[in-house]
Amino acid sequence: DTAVSQTPKYLVTQMGNDKSIKCEQNLGHDTMYWYKQDSKKFLKIMFSYNNKELIINETVPNRFSPKSPDKAHLNLHINSLELGDSAVYFCASSPGRRPFPETQYFGPGTRLLVL
Amino acid sequence: GQQLNQSPQSMFIQEGEDVSMNCTSSSIFNTWLWYKQEPGEGPVLLIALYKAGELTSNGRLTAQFGITRKDSFLNISASIPSDVGIYFCAGHPPNTGNQFYFGTGTSLTVIP
Repeated sequence: DTAVSQTPKYLVTQMGNDKSIKCEQNLGHDTMYWYKQDSKKFLKIMFSYNNKELIINETVPNRFSPKSPDKAHLNLHINSLELGDSAVYFCASSPGRRPFPETQYFGPGTRLLVL
Repeated sequence: GQQLNQSPQSMFIQEGEDVSMNCTSSSIFNTWLWYKQEPGEGPVLLIALYKAGELTSNGRLTAQFGITRKDSFLNISASIPSDVGIYFCAGHPPNTGNQFYFGTGTSLTVIP
């Protein structure tokens, strides 16, 4: 009965490959997020979707493309992986109903290592 | 994006000691959140603060929303080994929808 789940937990791949990370939440939330945590543990938001619509898109290379097939899922596809993409990627969700701001609930993270 | 500065960056303390850490910003925030991240896990919300001057407790944890709205503080009393982890503040600036900016983190080690 995990609230926010991510797959895979670990991902090791070669530079230049394309990979996807999946996220699912069973909290009934309308808003989902992707964060990147670098080697210094700094957490930075990448994207946010509300009810399948993109609402936050920080400065992220266009090799990263989020996709939300429905409001319970937000996947992250990464093209042409680079060494600097190695990080932990966290998915999060929040109710998505005004008034903002809202508490965000985080998944367990996906540890991506690009060789 | 905005970056919040947390201090100290790391702490090594004896079990039973009290802990204090803070988070500062160059601009005002409407909401402050404090999260704890344990190794191999995602951040878990500890305390949420919504009003300047607000003081909120959660067990042995107490957090305050600074009166200037540019800082927040977290205290842990009588630390125990399971308090080990990285503590993050997160702030919500005005008029930014649901976007939060995270602090640089304070790594806490409790020595039994």
